[in-house]
Amino acid sequence: GQSLEQPSEVTAVEGAIVQINCTYQTSGFYGLSWYQQHDGGAPTFLSYNGLDGLEETGRFSSFLSRSDSYGYLLLQELQMKDSASYFCAVRDEYSGAGSYQLTFGKGTKLSVIP
Amino acid sequence: NAGVTQTPKFQVLKTGQSMTLQCAQDMNHEYMSWYRQDPGMGLRLIHYSVGAGITDQGEVPNGYNVSRSTTEDFPLRLLSAAPSQTSVYFCASSYSTARYGYTFGSGTRLTVV
Repeated sequence: GQSLEQPSEVTAVEGAIVQINCTYQTSGFYGLSWYQQHDGGAPTFLSYNGLDGLEETGRFSSFLSRSDSYGYLLLQELQMKDSASYFCAVRDEYSGAGSYQLTFGKGTKLSVIP
Repeated sequence: NAGVTQTPKFQVLKTGQSMTLQCAQDMNHEYMSWYRQDPGMGLRLIHYSVGAGITDQGEVPNGYNVSRSTTEDFPLRLLSAAPSQTSVYFCASSYSTARYGYTFGSGTRLTVV
């Protein structure tokens, strides 16, 4: 089966940097993704790591270490609008039939304070 | 380009009633999925499809049916609603290549009384 662990809540100050960690256990692994969800909204795709290393997209970066089954999302220059829930998700071979699906963590609620 | 369109946005059902949640995408995505989201539980996969005519069960399929007769549409049917199915339901679609991520619909908030 698949399982993902991420902190349930994180609080950070506006303008600061915050890191949200994700560890996973899965029978097959084809990449780690991150999604952002504001209260009452739909999840939106932020980033994808298929290989080890750092991917940067503006103020957001995501890192993957496949040997450690670990990744993180790094948010820089935090803004109030970054207050949201952040989900890591692994792409794995869900049914063993070559069809890949996303399994999500339970999410990290980020609160940005002035 | 509408993306992923879900209807209805809100629904209240009585226990035992059936209904269909609609999902349509106009991006020619091969993959479509249904997730439910409950407080503290994250997003859990109900059913998914990797192309027209192909569907399979996810983590929590009981009480739900799906079909995929066209690339665009992927309806979710609740057979006999139960209070445990009170949740927010999201439809999502993607290309088979993971790099582009999933596009989610705006969700259906379902209450079963």
